[in-house]
Amino acid sequence: QLQLQESGPGLVKPSETLSLTCTVSGGSISSSSYYWGWIRQPPGKGLEWIGSIYYSGSTYYNPSLMSRVTISVDTPKNQFSLKLRSVTAADTAVYYCARPEGTGTISFDIWGQGTMVTVSS
Amino acid sequence: SYELTQSPSVSVSPGQTANITCSGDKLGHKYASWYQQKPGQSPVLVIYQDSKRPSGIPERFSGSNSGNTATLTISGTQALDEADYYCQAWDSSVVFGGGTKLTVL
Repeated sequence: QLQLQESGPGLVKPSETLSLTCTVSGGSISSSSYYWGWIRQPPGKGLEWIGSIYYSGSTYYNPSLMSRVTISVDTPKNQFSLKLRSVTAADTAVYYCARPEGTGTISFDIWGQGTMVTVSS
Repeated sequence: SYELTQSPSVSVSPGQTANITCSGDKLGHKYASWYQQKPGQSPVLVIYQDSKRPSGIPERFSGSNSGNTATLTISGTQALDEADYYCQAWDSSVVFGGGTKLTVL
């Protein structure tokens, strides 16, 4: 059974870079043509897609975050990662990694448990 | 940028039918998905490609999409269906609606 697990610091200082990793277990990140995704949710607010990456490394980003976001993949480690630069308090959120239900689609049917990241000095 | 609009809240009595709507420009020309999220939990996909149910999702969940509106219908609503529901579509990027809080009372 495929599982995703987010990891990374729970506290990041303003203006610094938020770095998170999603570890995929129970399957290979490169075995199928999925666009693995990052989604976040500020406290008490809705979901916001950050971006998605194909195992080959091609990416799609939310236009509103594109200038600050980099998503990368490490197939030998079966992981993909998120870097968000120049963070502010507005980036405080639960960050989820997720996998779509099918190849080439964007409906996410497998989610990690989420990790809370607080931006504060 | 593309926007999806949902009513903030919907109330339904147990056993009745709940309709949660999501509106966006020409949304019917795109695929809509729906997620259920309970407090403190990760979202769960309940409908994708407008009307398909993932494995394990009860038959009481159904979806439709036409014109500018996608609708998630929950038939015979149960107390355990009380949650936030989000619609999602693709328009050059992944877009989520603002969410609808379903109250079963």
